[in-house]
Amino acid sequence: AQTVTQSQPEMSVQEAETVTLSCTYDTSESDYYLFWYKQPPSRQMILVIRQEAYKQQNATENRFSVNFQKAAKSFSLKISDSQLGDAAMYFCAYWPFGNEKLTFGTGTRLTIIP
Amino acid sequence: DTGVSQNPRHKITKRGQNVTFRCDPISEHNRLYWYRQTLGQGPEFLTYFQNEAQLEKSRLLSDRFSAERPKGSFSTLEIQRTEQGDSAMYLCASSLNGQANYGYTFGSGTRLTVV
Repeated sequence: AQTVTQSQPEMSVQEAETVTLSCTYDTSESDYYLFWYKQPPSRQMILVIRQEAYKQQNATENRFSVNFQKAAKSFSLKISDSQLGDAAMYFCAYWPFGNEKLTFGTGTRLTIIP
Repeated sequence: DTGVSQNPRHKITKRGQNVTFRCDPISEHNRLYWYRQTLGQGPEFLTYFQNEAQLEKSRLLSDRFSAERPKGSFSTLEIQRTEQGDSAMYLCASSLNGQANYGYTFGSGTRLTVV
């Protein structure tokens, strides 16, 4: 069974600084996608960034980037120039190609310190 | 289109009562998913539909749970004889067929509290 592990229940970062959230996963599949979702308090979950496993190049979306290490099954999220609006729960998720189930980690609560 | 809409936002019910939640997906999305999120956990898959067909159900979906999507548009999730363990956030999401790899669009969820 696929599992996704987020070992940091909580993280905090000073505004304008950089923070990295960790995620590891376990799978025997070779073709899959990985996602980071953001869930602000009492608001809907939104997609932050996605990575296709067959692409070696790390995905980047503005201040958000990932470090994808396929062999190590690691998928960390780096947030640069942290802003107050980045405060949220962040979930790492795994999606094997051809399957319809997203498997989520337990989340990391990110606090931004002004 | 205002995205995925879920109603109600909050529901408090007494143990043993039945509850029903509604999800309105993005209109052109033919795939609809239900997830459950308990406190301190990530969302867990419950079931999904392609149009009106329910294609997969998790073993988390006991026989007290039933989901429908009668016309391939909105969906309902009913829980019969609610138990305290059913207290959770119920999330609905939708996607276009063949584009789930671009991620789902989630609704804001229905928070159920069973007292």
